[in-house]
Amino acid sequence: GAVVSQHPSRVICKSGTSVKIECRSLDFQATTMFWYRQFPKQSLMLMATSNEGSKATYEQGVEKDKFLINHASLTLSTLTVTSAHPEDSSFYICSAPGREDNEQFFGPGTRLTVL
Amino acid sequence: GQSLEQPSEVTAVEGAIVQINCTYQTSGFYGLSWYQQHDGGAPTFLSYNALDGLEETGRFSSFLSRSDSYGYLLLQELQMKDSASYFCAVAGGTSYGKLTFGQGTILTVHP
Repeated sequence: GAVVSQHPSRVICKSGTSVKIECRSLDFQATTMFWYRQFPKQSLMLMATSNEGSKATYEQGVEKDKFLINHASLTLSTLTVTSAHPEDSSFYICSAPGREDNEQFFGPGTRLTVL
Repeated sequence: GQSLEQPSEVTAVEGAIVQINCTYQTSGFYGLSWYQQHDGGAPTFLSYNALDGLEETGRFSSFLSRSDSYGYLLLQELQMKDSASYFCAVAGGTSYGKLTFGQGTILTVHP
């Protein structure tokens, strides 16, 4: 099946720094990708929809200036957490829809820890 | 908006059958999906229902009743490795592809 990769898998950073997370579709093109955030013992919450060639669409309550999304190509979307704070520590997961109605391919996730 | 409800925890023994229910409220509906997530891992797709009825995939089956806004995941012949979190999710709303997840059900399988 289709594969979505994320890099890095884990990152630890100091408060106030910025962190970039990459999401790649390895064997298919994705004009749309989705970014989710998951806190421990909680569900996945959709943060934003990344659109190739246009601006990302953010969910209510998600700061677009803090979580910068760039869909650079048909196989790459990046999420940059700017001026990270400890409360941004979470598991960030991207996904890309497949061709079939029910297909949604998830990346392996990135564990962000902000000290 | 969209919301889904599912039980927070379920416990069962190896070899047993477990049913995880999910009720949903959505502004648009394309289908109900089920995902499994082990600790520290990403969600993996289990099953999907766009139409009413039962879909069977090996030991896992999923059911949907659109008139009742209800579905369930049935896990048979439980194994220890089935211990994980299970999420129901709906695709719909303003953009097809977007998934709204339930809060997840933690399944613990005992020997």
